[in-house]
Amino acid sequence: RKEVEQDPGPFNVPEGATVAFNCTYSNSASQSFFWYRQDCRKEPKLLMSVYSSGNEDGRFTAQLNRASQYISLLIRDSKLSDSATYLCVVTTDFSGGYNKLIFGAGTRLAVHP
Amino acid sequence: EAQVTQNPRYLITVTGKKLTVTCSQNMNHEYMSWYRQDPGLGLRQIYYSMNVEVTDKGDVPEGYKVSRKEKRNFPLILESPSPNQTSLYFCASGRGAQYFGPGTRLLVL
Repeated sequence: RKEVEQDPGPFNVPEGATVAFNCTYSNSASQSFFWYRQDCRKEPKLLMSVYSSGNEDGRFTAQLNRASQYISLLIRDSKLSDSATYLCVVTTDFSGGYNKLIFGAGTRLAVHP
Repeated sequence: EAQVTQNPRYLITVTGKKLTVTCSQNMNHEYMSWYRQDPGLGLRQIYYSMNVEVTDKGDVPEGYKVSRKEKRNFPLILESPSPNQTSLYFCASGRGAQYFGPGTRLLVL
């Protein structure tokens, strides 16, 4: 079983749609959670951190369920520019200060006119 | 401007010819790492460095070396590249939320 699993998609949605991505992680000791966005052939860029209480940044809402080891990202009012691959990232702290990031393989979103 | 730079951006080489991919960051980060990204496998960590002179293996270190003599630089070395190292490579810096370089596309023939 992969440490971080995501539905690979693609999700094909019209402009203005609401779309939700899910992510599950296997290590219950994981401590920090993020969503990254990666455009084709470009580097991943941090989209938002995910907090236990849930958090929102404009049209984007992230949720964390530690009991179910589940993270979600909701995008409202999709724009053409939202087309990208969304990476779920989970971190775990180890002794000695080592902080390991585990990336999901990503969910591809295509927004069409 | 905060950034991570990598060079070269694209490289075609032949099996066995040593190469180095440079990485530099201007954010004074202690923590840096290297990843490779392959279709369907996502990003996998090759090596990481917690600070100057301290490096350690990630998940896929075979065939790679790194060094960290200065805080800002973290080069990736392929002593004898093989075709299975054909991949997209990213350098990153920072703990928790990381900043990524633009990537290096490597083709080993």
